[in-house]
Amino acid sequence: ETGVTQTPRHLVMGMTNKKSLKCEQHLGHNAMYWYKQSAKKPLELMFVYSLEERVENNSVPSRFSPECPNSSHLFLHLHTLQPEDSALYLCASSQELGLRYGYTFGSGTRLTVV
Amino acid sequence: AQRVTQPEKLLSVFKGAPVELKCNYSYSGSPELFWYVQYSRQRLQLLLRHISRESIKGFTADLNKGETSFHLKKPFAQEEDSAMYYCALSGGNSGNTPLVFGKGTRLSVIA
Repeated sequence: ETGVTQTPRHLVMGMTNKKSLKCEQHLGHNAMYWYKQSAKKPLELMFVYSLEERVENNSVPSRFSPECPNSSHLFLHLHTLQPEDSALYLCASSQELGLRYGYTFGSGTRLTVV
Repeated sequence: AQRVTQPEKLLSVFKGAPVELKCNYSYSGSPELFWYVQYSRQRLQLLLRHISRESIKGFTADLNKGETSFHLKKPFAQEEDSAMYYCALSGGNSGNTPLVFGKGTRLSVIA
């Protein structure tokens, strides 16, 4: 698959579990993003990475922990989540951090916390 | 603070009718504005950006700084236009701040 690939597509986890979401792009993009999409809310920016350095963290609870080992991969590690964390988690990338390049989005991971 | 408001959650129009999806923003500087679209079972994708002043799939959007609006328009709606539409804003002088999205409007074009 070309573009931005997210795995898994669906995830159900208990509140005491630890899981990770994976995002991969081979577009040569240098900036990657995690967004959260909840019902009845706008897309919320969670984390921004540029050249593997975190450049923004939007007051996200510590139970969400991002990792960017290289410019092609982005992870979101999850632990002790709450039911209200159930949402669609979207990964996006852009050529550079500047917006004029536009974003390429992945299909998302639908997370359900039980 | 940057904010994007899309007042309509759902908009239904008949095929061939004009469409206008409303977007208002709140930002004190010079924003960069975008429209993203998500068709059924597809990922979110860029539709158009105001700096390009382009028409994509018959859609246009004009930035009105006086009214702080960036409404998306199409003169004749097609069934394939049915989708979720998100307005998004980026602030910052160098244009390198991440996007802030509105809640989205679901457009339903009725045959």
